[in-house]
Amino acid sequence: AQKITQTQPGMFVQEKEAVTLDCTYDTSDQSYGLFWYKQPSSGEMIFLIYQGSYDEQNATEGRYSLNFQKARKSANLVISASQLGDSAMYFCAMSLALYNFNKFYFGSGTKLNVKP
Amino acid sequence: GAGVSQSPRYKVAKRGQDVALRCDPISGHVSLFWYQQALGQGPEFLTYFQNEAQLDKSGLPSDRFFAERPEGSVSTLKIQRTQQEDSAVYLCASSLIVLGNEDTEAFFGQGTRLTVV
Repeated sequence: AQKITQTQPGMFVQEKEAVTLDCTYDTSDQSYGLFWYKQPSSGEMIFLIYQGSYDEQNATEGRYSLNFQKARKSANLVISASQLGDSAMYFCAMSLALYNFNKFYFGSGTKLNVKP
Repeated sequence: GAGVSQSPRYKVAKRGQDVALRCDPISGHVSLFWYQQALGQGPEFLTYFQNEAQLDKSGLPSDRFFAERPEGSVSTLKIQRTQQEDSAVYLCASSLIVLGNEDTEAFFGQGTRLTVV
């Protein structure tokens, strides 16, 4: 069975500082993708970053980077230079190649609050 | 349209009432997904369409839930005889998806918040 675990229900960070949101996953599949989505209060899920299981380098997208540690099955999101607009729910998700890459298994989310 | 559009944004239903939730995916997107997001939880997969074919409905919680996409574009999620436990946000997502293309991004709508009273 596939499972995503986010152990931080809520996080606070000072504006302009970096923050790490934790995510661990469990799967017996060898080929999978890991995603992070941002969900503001308006409700839509906004794609942030993707990491493939065979990618050797950690993914980066602007201020977002994914700290992928395959042996530990972790895929933490690092947000550098936090901004007030980063306050939202953040979801880690996994999808499997065997099925297709858009059937997601989501974690329970982390609510990030950026303080001015 | 520019993004995935869902309607209505909010729906209040009396217990036992039937409801229909609509999803307009991005034009040309082959794949369409429905997810259910309970309050304070992450979304959970309900069902998947590739064009008009419903390839996976393993996440539908009961036979009261039914989804269709008859022309491979707009999709409707129907819930019959709604129960309080059906209260959730229902999210629709679409993607271009080429099977096995791991880089294809899924675009989500803003969801329909269903409250059953």
